[in-house]
Amino acid sequence: QVQLQESGPGLVKPSETLSLTCTVSGGSISSYYWSWIRQPAGKGLEWIGRIYTSGSTNYNPSLKSRVTMSVDTSKNQFSLKLSSVTAADTAVYYCAREIPVAGCDYWGQGTLVTVSS
Amino acid sequence: EIVLTQSPGTLSLSPGERATLSCRASQSVSSSYLAWYQQKPGQAPRLLIYGASSRATGIPDRFSGSGSGTDFTLTISRLEPEDFAVYYCQQYGSSPPTTFGPGTKVDIK
Repeated sequence: QVQLQESGPGLVKPSETLSLTCTVSGGSISSYYWSWIRQPAGKGLEWIGRIYTSGSTNYNPSLKSRVTMSVDTSKNQFSLKLSSVTAADTAVYYCAREIPVAGCDYWGQGTLVTVSS
Repeated sequence: EIVLTQSPGTLSLSPGERATLSCRASQSVSSSYLAWYQQKPGQAPRLLIYGASSRATGIPDRFSGSGSGTDFTLTISRLEPEDFAVYYCQQYGSSPPTTFGPGTKVDIK
């Protein structure tokens, strides 16, 4: 059974960079797309972007200028960096495995990141 | 960007009743790349349906999806107590690669 776990600081100051890591267990990270999705409190889901294990990426155009994703296949991990954060970036951040023809079939439990001074 | 609209915003039903949820796209969704998710409070979304009508692994057959082009439907044939949740549709075939609808909340009448 594939499991995903997000980790990273729960509090980030405005204008700084949010950094999260997702660790995949119970299966190989190779040959899949891995995504980040966020959800502000009481609101809907926003797709941030995805990375393939080759390192190729697709980002949401609305966030593209601030987003960087990377993957470390040796550690079965992938990561998200979101720069110049504001209060609007406060949300629960989920990592997920994305199958391009079948949606996101495995999700992490989510981690709350609050942007505040 | 394909914009998804879900209706109704809230659906109030009793256990045992049939639920019909709608997802409409602003333009045609290629190859029916449309998925449905269920989300309960404090939990991550769970994939229910992909390809508009294929049930994901372990999903009970009371959940079914249909539709093509711009109009899609999720039907829950008989609501169980555990089905009261928020449901999101997602298209994953166009640029940007994926967008979600705003969700439909199914609550207990």
